[in-house]
Amino acid sequence: GAVVSQHPSRVICKSGTSVKIECRSLDFQATTMFWYRQFPKQSLMLMATSNEGSKATYEQGVEKDKFLINHASLTLSTLTVTSAHPEDSSFYICSAMIRDRYNEQFFGPGTRLTVL
Amino acid sequence: GENVEQHPSTLSVQEGDSAVIKCTYSDSASNYFPWYKQELGKRPQLIIDIRSNVGEKKDQRIAVTLNKTAKHFSLHITETQPEDSAVYFCASGDRGTYKYIFGTGTRLKVLA
Repeated sequence: GAVVSQHPSRVICKSGTSVKIECRSLDFQATTMFWYRQFPKQSLMLMATSNEGSKATYEQGVEKDKFLINHASLTLSTLTVTSAHPEDSSFYICSAMIRDRYNEQFFGPGTRLTVL
Repeated sequence: GENVEQHPSTLSVQEGDSAVIKCTYSDSASNYFPWYKQELGKRPQLIIDIRSNVGEKKDQRIAVTLNKTAKHFSLHITETQPEDSAVYFCASGDRGTYKYIFGTGTRLKVLA
């Protein structure tokens, strides 16, 4: 149980284009989802917290207009990188949890974004 | 802001020896402390976790200890094997926001 999927697993795009990444909880309803970014050989940095039906809460330094997050249902959250630039190239990982049921987050497999 | 310090950044041990990784957190609201193993290009995998009402937890070759007063927690791996080689991250989970703050990671190499 507690499986989280991400799509796509890899994406290559040109500068200036937008890319959408989907995060799905497959066998549970996730009240809260998180989006992380991980640069090579670095730690996971939290970008934003997404609660179903409400606006995402972004961490300091993360541009909300550049990284659009939508959490329209209890099983799906999307991250759209708008007007992507090479410096946005990174590994993006989502996680999902059931609020008030311990603190455990279940991680997706990640999406490798390369912006040319 | 809140942070989690993790040491060492790299650790090499001989197969069969023990490995210890230490973390220190700053957020007093933290009540959940998971440890993750991450292989290159893969998702973090939970290997053990501990909650703030417990001081120690063990699962076969892996154990975690927590000192709430000092805000320290540690991962202990005994009888290390080459397949234990990976990057390990500690994290602290906030009881109010449920957010995780990750440590900087430890690259463990187990030499055969």
